[in-house]
Amino acid sequence: AQSVTQLGSHVSVSEGALVLLRCNYSSSVPPYLFWYVQYPNQGLQLLLKYTSAATLVKGINGFEAEFKKSETSFHLTKPSAHMSDAAEYFCAVSGRGSTLGRLYFGRGTQLTVWP
Amino acid sequence: SAVISQKPSRDICQRGTSLTIQCQVDSQVTMMFWYRQQPGQSLTLIATANQGSEATYESGFVIDKFPISRPNLTFSTLTVSNMSPEDSSIYLCSVSPTGAYNEQFFGPGTRLTVL
Repeated sequence: AQSVTQLGSHVSVSEGALVLLRCNYSSSVPPYLFWYVQYPNQGLQLLLKYTSAATLVKGINGFEAEFKKSETSFHLTKPSAHMSDAAEYFCAVSGRGSTLGRLYFGRGTQLTVWP
Repeated sequence: SAVISQKPSRDICQRGTSLTIQCQVDSQVTMMFWYRQQPGQSLTLIATANQGSEATYESGFVIDKFPISRPNLTFSTLTVSNMSPEDSSIYLCSVSPTGAYNEQFFGPGTRLTVL
């Protein structure tokens, strides 16, 4: 069965610092992986997705993530944090077979950016 | 991508009453999903609603409590019945366009408070 673990429910960084949000997945077959962002009082917005093409995926707002099969990881990074990046971030893995179409979400990581 | 709207955006309801949430998509989609997001929590899938078939409910969710309609390929409703304060959550609908690697697009959510 597919599952996702996000390490760290809260991450705090200073403006301009590196952002690193961790995500490890469990999947019996090569997965599709996603990062979503949720700003306060809004729905989820897709940041980026891995669909078995390039292992380094670039998304919106300067974020990128690298798929590492050997580590079963899909960590999200941004070289320089901005105040506007403060939000909740969710990693998700796709279902396969009988669960095709489903997404399995991690618990989320709240990113705080200090001035 | 798909643009999704939800009505109402928020509501405050009395215990024992019911609320119907509407989800409208700007294009025809096969798969629609309803999620619950309790305060400070991740997303929990309530059910999958495909047009032309009965909704498929996840463990812990039943049709009597969360009846769902899917009359066409652009619209769905979720009713929260006989509400209690424990139903206070954000309810989100999402869609998965065919062939989009299980990618889902989310509505803005309905923030429900039950007194």
